[in-house]
Formats: sequence, structure tokens, C-alpha cells
Amino acid sequence: EAQVTQNPRYLITVTGKKLTVTCSQNMNHEYMSWYRQDPGLGLRQIYYSMNVEVTDKGDVPEGYKVSRKEKRNFPLILESPSPNQTSLYFCASSPRLAGGLTRNEQFFGPGTRLTVL
Amino acid sequence: KQEVTQIPAALSVPEGENLVLNCSFTDSAIYNLQWFRQDPGKGLTSLLLIQSSQREQTSGRLNASLDKSSGRSTLYIAASQPGDSATYLCAVPQPVTQGGSEKLVFGKGTKLTVNP
Repeated sequence: EAQVTQNPRYLITVTGKKLTVTCSQNMNHEYMSWYRQDPGLGLRQIYYSMNVEVTDKGDVPEGYKVSRKEKRNFPLILESPSPNQTSLYFCASSPRLAGGLTRNEQFFGPGTRLTVL
Repeated sequence: KQEVTQIPAALSVPEGENLVLNCSFTDSAIYNLQWFRQDPGKGLTSLLLIQSSQREQTSGRLNASLDKSSGRSTLYIAASQPGDSATYLCAVPQPVTQGGSEKLVFGKGTKLTVNP
């Protein structure tokens, strides 16, 4: 089954304790990204990756890191989590048309609910 | 800067009613528009994708229309059922006029409740 998976689905941690949220897709998609969803603010992009070893900042990258060593995986790293990073996180992927003037459908993972105490 | 607005923020209807959800965007230079469904505490499920060259897309009881020139899209749900209760989000990729990328700009959603 074609899907985007995230782990863990739920995480409660304490301030300053490094954590990684994994994201994996089995659709051979080039493009992957991370969003966070907060009440009243909606979904905002954190980081994105156009392909392996190509990453860039989204709208709210502060406090986060990413890496893209393999096409299927795009982990989100919080080196020193703080309470303001308590949120619902989504990973997304889509195929990318080279030089295209259209954009493809994006597929989202089930979300990771993170609480930082 | 692209802004996406969804009205109403919440909607409650009796089962069986046909309903329309609205989405508007400020920059009409979009590649496509995507409608999602989000169930409480769960992920986003893609419902329909309309490319900029299309005017509508249909999937089962769902029909989405797109009017780029007026910056509007509607999601029509026919014969609503309690299982349709969820939050519906529309999203557009960052416009061509702003560099264009795969980043999605989301509306804040319409929370739909269908009462039995």
C-alpha cells in the first residue's frame, strides 16, 4: 500500500531532550516536507526537500533540523525541544515533475502529536 | 503573499442535506488546488486535486470546482452522512508569482458536523 508513515505517533518529552521524528514514504517521491499544525495558526511548513541531499527552510524552521540521505526517509530532528514546539506534526510527499508547470497531489502521513513539558 | 480563506469555519447540517464548502485564495497564479479531509487527531486525507486548467473534479458524492479568475473553489458534498463529519481543508501550492514551489498554503478549514 502506497503510504507515508511517521513514528512515533505520540510523544511526550521534556525540554532539552533531543528527539527525532521519522518519516518514510514508499512511493519513490522526490519531494518531501514537514508541517506543523497549531490551533488558530493552521498548517505551516517547517522544512522541505526536493531530492536526496537537497533540503531548504520553510516558513518556521527555527529549532528544527532535517536530513535527506535516502529518497524514502526524511527525519525531523529537534536538538533541544522547547514547550513552544508542542504541536501536531505532519510529513508529506509528492512526485516532482522536472521543469513542470504543474504540481502533483501531495500525500500526508498520519501525524505525530508532540508534547514538550 | 498567498492567503487562503475558508468560510464558514464550522457547519452543522442534518443527515441527507447537500452542502457547499467555500475556499478563496488571493493570488490566482496557482498550479492546482487540493481538498483534504482531517478527522480528529488524525492525518490529512487527500480528497480531490484540481489542476489550474480544470474547472471541476468529481469523486463519488464529492464535487470540487475551481474558478481561478475569481480566486474561488467550492467543495460540494451530496447527500451528507454522519461519516462525513470532519474538518475539510483546502490548499494551494505557492504561486508562480512567488517563485513557485511545492509548499502548500492551507486554509484554516471548515469543521463539518452531520447530525443523524
